[in-house]
Amino acid sequence: DTAVSQTPKYLVTQMGNDKSIKCEQNLGHDTMYWYKQDSKKFLKIMFSYNNKELIINETVPNRFSPKSPDKAHLNLHINSLELGDSAVYFCASSQDTGFQPQHFGDGTRLSIL
Amino acid sequence: SQQGEEDPQALSIQEGENATMNCSYKTSINNLQWYRQNSGRGLVHLILIRSNEREKHSGRLRVTLDTSKKSSSLLITASRAADTASYFCATDGGGATNKLIFGTGTLLAVQP
Repeated sequence: DTAVSQTPKYLVTQMGNDKSIKCEQNLGHDTMYWYKQDSKKFLKIMFSYNNKELIINETVPNRFSPKSPDKAHLNLHINSLELGDSAVYFCASSQDTGFQPQHFGDGTRLSIL
Repeated sequence: SQQGEEDPQALSIQEGENATMNCSYKTSINNLQWYRQNSGRGLVHLILIRSNEREKHSGRLRVTLDTSKKSSSLLITASRAADTASYFCATDGGGATNKLIFGTGTLLAVQP
């Protein structure tokens, strides 16, 4: 009965590979987000979707492509992985686009070898 | 960069003591939020304070907001070992979307 769940929890892969991270929320929220947390714990927003529509795209390299098949799911696909992509990626959701608390998943730790 | 800063970067106290963390930000805001992150886990929302509010309480937590100084503080009273975590402030940057701009975080260690 986890509210925001991400899979996988850990992802170890080689440079140049393509990988996907999945996120699902069962809170009935309209808005979902992807954040990246680096090794210094700095958290930065990457994307946000509201009801399957992209509303925030924070100058992320176009190797990163989010996809929202429905409002409960937001996946992140990363092409041609680079060493600098190593980080923890967090999915979050909120009721809608208003100024409200966000609910976070437990993160996916991506390590590039 | 719009990123806020938190002070101190790390704080170590004994159980039962109070812990105060400060956050400064750079732009106007609609609201400011505080989150807790336990090691290896996602962020958990603690308190949201709107720009027209000066103080808010939730259990052992007290948050203040001074928009003229662009700063906020989080006070945890009667701390417990379970309060050990990183604490982040986040603002919306004054924009129209719920895009959170996080501070650098304070790592709080509560010694039993």
